[in-house]
Amino acid sequence: GQSLEQPSEVTAVEGAIVQINCTYQTSGFYGLSWYQQHDGGAPTFLSYNGLDGLEETGRFSSFLSRSDSYGYLLLQELQMKDSASYFCAVRDPNTGFQKLVFGTGTRLLVSP
Amino acid sequence: DTAVSQTPKYLVTQMGNDKSIKCEQNLGHDTMYWYKQDSKKFLKIMFSYNNKELIINETVPNRFSPKSPDKAHLNLHINSLELGDSAVYFCASSPRTSGGLKTGELFFGEGSRLTVL
Repeated sequence: GQSLEQPSEVTAVEGAIVQINCTYQTSGFYGLSWYQQHDGGAPTFLSYNGLDGLEETGRFSSFLSRSDSYGYLLLQELQMKDSASYFCAVRDPNTGFQKLVFGTGTRLLVSP
Repeated sequence: DTAVSQTPKYLVTQMGNDKSIKCEQNLGHDTMYWYKQDSKKFLKIMFSYNNKELIINETVPNRFSPKSPDKAHLNLHINSLELGDSAVYFCASSPRTSGGLKTGELFFGEGSRLTVL
């Protein structure tokens, strides 16, 4: 099976930088995705890492190390609107990669 | 235009009742999903359909029955509701590629919050 672990909560102040970690155990691996979900809202796709290294999308970056089974989401210049839950996810090779398995989720609280 | 829409958004009902949630997507995607998010925000897949064919059926009580009349619609019917069924149910869709979900990008609806009393 697939399992992904994340810290349950992270707090930071506006303007700061925060890193949300994700460690995974999978029977096969084919990339790490990240989602954002505001309270009462839908999960929305943020980024994908298929290869090792850093992918940057504006204030958000995502990193992957396949040898360490580890990735992180980096949020820079934090804004209040970044307060949300963040999920990492992997595709399950046992279903022909059709199934997306989500991590436990990290709640980010940004304070003024 | 809403890409993935679910109805109803809120559902409050008594134990033992039967209820349905409907989902429609206008993205032209071939694959649709039902996910359940519990009170601890854990997102777990329940079902997936590709072009009306069931391709993923997780360990879900058979009180839950999905139906896909066409590739743009996926409904979820729940019989004999129990307290533990209270959750937010998300519909999602994705394009199908030969490599599966290419980047792991799913398009989610806004969710249907089910409360069983």
